[in-house]
Amino acid sequence: GESVGLHLPTLSVQEGDNSIINCAYSNSASDYFIWYKQESGKGPQFIIDIRSNMDKRQGQRVTVLLNKTVKHLSLQIAATQPGDSAVYFCAENREGFQKLVFGTGTRLLVSP
Amino acid sequence: DGGITQSPKYLFRKEGQNVTLSCEQNLNHDAMYWYRQDPGQGLRLIYYSQIVNDFQKGDIAEGYSVSREKKESFPLTVTSAQKNPTAFYLCASQLTTGGTEAFFGQGTRLTVV
Repeated sequence: GESVGLHLPTLSVQEGDNSIINCAYSNSASDYFIWYKQESGKGPQFIIDIRSNMDKRQGQRVTVLLNKTVKHLSLQIAATQPGDSAVYFCAENREGFQKLVFGTGTRLLVSP
Repeated sequence: DGGITQSPKYLFRKEGQNVTLSCEQNLNHDAMYWYRQDPGQGLRLIYYSQIVNDFQKGDIAEGYSVSREKKESFPLTVTSAQKNPTAFYLCASQLTTGGTEAFFGQGTRLTVV
């Protein structure tokens, strides 16, 4: 039957703070991970990705950390701005074998 | 411009009617996906296709159907068997089914009236 959707957890921060959004992934064989940002009423947009041969990758104001031992992924946003308010999803993939699988998502609210 | 296009942006359906949502991509991607999103919730996979003329059910395929006759097109039909079709539908494409980012369309909001 149809699975029940999960309501999104919310992270509230003040403008200028650093934000950390966490994600637990399910498949130890996954070797590629992506973070997406979804603004209200729009499709998700790519933020940053990381492959399993790395522990850390940095972009502009964002850093992704990968802990394969505990199957955990995090997205760090430096100096959070009101424009960062959105829903953030992690996704996992395994080359050639597996469809893209999304995590539950986290809603980030940034207060001025 | 390369990208993935969903149409229409808003769609209204009467109860008991089938309706088809369009998804077209010109990125030459092999894999395409359909997701459903309800308010305040995450993405749930309806169907996905790894190659032309082949597709697989996702987690919530009941009441939906798809076709993949062309590489660039992956239409989704919401049938009258779908009991609660009002939702935001997202289409995505990916170069292969692994190791590359997926690109999303801007979504179709379907409302049953």
